[in-house]
Amino acid sequence: EAGVAQSPRYKIIEKRQSVAFWCNPISGHATLYWYQQILGQGPKLLIQFQNNGVVDDSQLPKDRFSAERLKGVDSTLKIQPAKLEDSAVYLCASSLVGPSTDTQYFGPGTRLTVL
Amino acid sequence: SQQGEEDPQALSIQEGENATMNCSYKTSINNLQWYRQNSGRGLVHLILIRSNEREKHSGRLRVTLDTSKKSSSLLITASRAADTASYFCATDAGDYKLSFGAGTTVTVRA
Repeated sequence: EAGVAQSPRYKIIEKRQSVAFWCNPISGHATLYWYQQILGQGPKLLIQFQNNGVVDDSQLPKDRFSAERLKGVDSTLKIQPAKLEDSAVYLCASSLVGPSTDTQYFGPGTRLTVL
Repeated sequence: SQQGEEDPQALSIQEGENATMNCSYKTSINNLQWYRQNSGRGLVHLILIRSNEREKHSGRLRVTLDTSKKSSSLLITASRAADTASYFCATDAGDYKLSFGAGTTVTVRA
């Protein structure tokens, strides 16, 4: 079974530029999560989708971050404009049922550096 | 904000020794999970323990949960070099979201 796919793996941008990350969850997984992990910290949930609806986006900085999950499968997370403090690893995860906190499967992450 | 706090922040042990790390949390929970993260990679789920359980085992892993003290421990027995990683506890406080701690970095020396 293929795991959660993310691209790109690495991205370097200047502050005030825009960037987008892509995630393809495990086939058949209803729930998709985006996390932000700053160096030395644990992951912080940004947004949670069940199928193509948003379950929780309370920690998403909506003035600059946006996310969508079209057709309840792939998802994109966008930052516009980026700030220095957005430098982090962005992790995508999926789970079979949802919203549920039974096993989440994580992708390898996208490491973003904002200069 | 992060609900769980792991202790210690870092741990260095010899191959073959046991490694123990602890997690404390603030509010009541439905379940607590432990994840492992190897350098530069995503997180891997290790074990889930529900609030009505006190101990669970999975291979060389043993997890305990004390809800009266709001704490959990993860024991890795007979450690191997491949166990070198960061370990995170994550809590579900009944709102179907996971809240992760800052993690314990474990280094296993050959």
